[in-house]
Amino acid sequence: EAGVAQSPRYKIIEKRQSVAFWCNPISGHATLYWYQQILGQGPKLLIQFQNNGVVDDSQLPKDRFSAERLKGVDSTLKIQPAKLEDSAVYLCASSLRRAGEAGSYEQYFGPGTRLTVT
Amino acid sequence: AQSVTQPDIHITVSEGASLELRCNYSYGATPYLFWYVQSPGQGLQLLLKYFSGDTLVQGIKGFEAEFKRSQSSFNLRKPSVHWSDAAEYFCAVRATSGTYKYIFGTGTRLKVLA
Repeated sequence: EAGVAQSPRYKIIEKRQSVAFWCNPISGHATLYWYQQILGQGPKLLIQFQNNGVVDDSQLPKDRFSAERLKGVDSTLKIQPAKLEDSAVYLCASSLRRAGEAGSYEQYFGPGTRLTVT
Repeated sequence: AQSVTQPDIHITVSEGASLELRCNYSYGATPYLFWYVQSPGQGLQLLLKYFSGDTLVQGIKGFEAEFKRSQSSFNLRKPSVHWSDAAEYFCAVRATSGTYKYIFGTGTRLKVLA
C-alpha cells in the first residue's frame, strides 16, 4: 500500500511570508497528525485530526498556524506569517484507528517537509 | 504530565558490537511504548511497540526492547550493530486515555564505526 505522502519536500521562504504544506495519509486511516521537528529535538505534536474533526490542537500556535482536513482525507498546514523559529521539519503521520478504539495504534510517517525561514 | 527522557544524545559503537539505547518515561499508568528510527531526510519508521503482555518485545531489523515497570524504562537493544543502523532513534509513549497523544523523546543519534 502507498505510504503517507507529503509535499513539498523542501521549502525556503523569508520571514513574514506564508507557506503551506500538504499531506495525503494512507487510504482509510482515520487519524492524521502534524508534527514539528526542530533540529536536535523529537517531533512535537501540533494538531491531531480524527476524520475531519480536530482532536487536539493544544500546541498549535494559532496566531500564525492553521490546518484543515477537508473530507477527512488529505490535509493542509499553513503558516502565516512565518518566523525564523518556524524553521523545522514538518512531519505528517496517520493511523488506522480512531483515538480510544481497540487495536493497532501505530503511526505511519511521511518523509516530511523541511522548512527554512531566512 | 507525560514525558520521555532519552539520556544519551549521541552514541558511537563499532560495527558488530552490541547496542543499548536508553528510554525512561513518566506516566501515571502503563502507557503504550514505541521505538522509531529516522534515517537522514526520511520520516520515522516504527521499529517495535509494547502494549501489554510479554515485557520483551521483538521488532524489525533485529532490534528488541524490554519494558521494566519498576524502572519506568523501555530500553532498545541489538546484539550486533550493522553500519546501516546509523540513524536517529526516538522513544515515544502514547497515553491510554484522553486524546491518546504521543510524546516523543529528544532522540539518540547512533554512529557506527567500520
